[in-house]
Amino acid sequence: ELKVEQNPLFLSMQEGKNYTIYCNYSTTSDRLYWYRQDPGKSLESLFVLLSNGAVKQEGRLMASLDTKARLSTLHITAAVHDLSATYFCAVGTTSGTYKYIFGTGTRLKVLA
Amino acid sequence: DADVTQTPRNRITKTGKRIMLECSQTKGHDRMYWYRQDPGLGLRLIYYSFDVKDINKGEISDGYSVSRQAQAKFSLSLESAIPNQTALYFCATSDQGAPTYNEQFFGPGTRLTVL
Repeated sequence: ELKVEQNPLFLSMQEGKNYTIYCNYSTTSDRLYWYRQDPGKSLESLFVLLSNGAVKQEGRLMASLDTKARLSTLHITAAVHDLSATYFCAVGTTSGTYKYIFGTGTRLKVLA
Repeated sequence: DADVTQTPRNRITKTGKRIMLECSQTKGHDRMYWYRQDPGLGLRLIYYSFDVKDINKGEISDGYSVSRQAQAKFSLSLESAIPNQTALYFCATSDQGAPTYNEQFFGPGTRLTVL
């Protein structure tokens, strides 16, 4: 059974600091996705990671994928208040029965 | 205009009532999904459809049904609403191929309260 775990679940950090959110998954997967959700809003796609060693960066966010370790990370560099949101990873498969499982989310609060 | 729209945006109903949530998209995607979001549980898949003639159950389909009326429209029904179906419901669409590789595009959500 495919399970997706994120940690931490809550993260409060000061502006200017760096931190990493971790996404672990339990079975072989082809694709890993990161989404952002602002309070009361919908989800917005951030990154799609398709292969082992994939790294993508957008502004202060960088996502990476290690399929052997079944681990993806979302690294935040020099956090700013505007990054405050909930971040979800999701793991998908392209073979066999369709699966697309979301982690429970990491609520990030960046303090000024 | 938004690519994925949901109606209604908010709905309060009573236990036992039948309600329908509607989703429309202009992205031209074949794949459409219904999720519910509950605090602390992330998003859970209710139903998904890969084309008009293909409907599949997700993790938590009990108590729900769907209809894919056209490529662009996917409706979710609660036949007899119960309080534990109170949640935020999202519709999403995706395209399997490049360049998005099943990246999902979400509607604004419907907040449903069952009294």
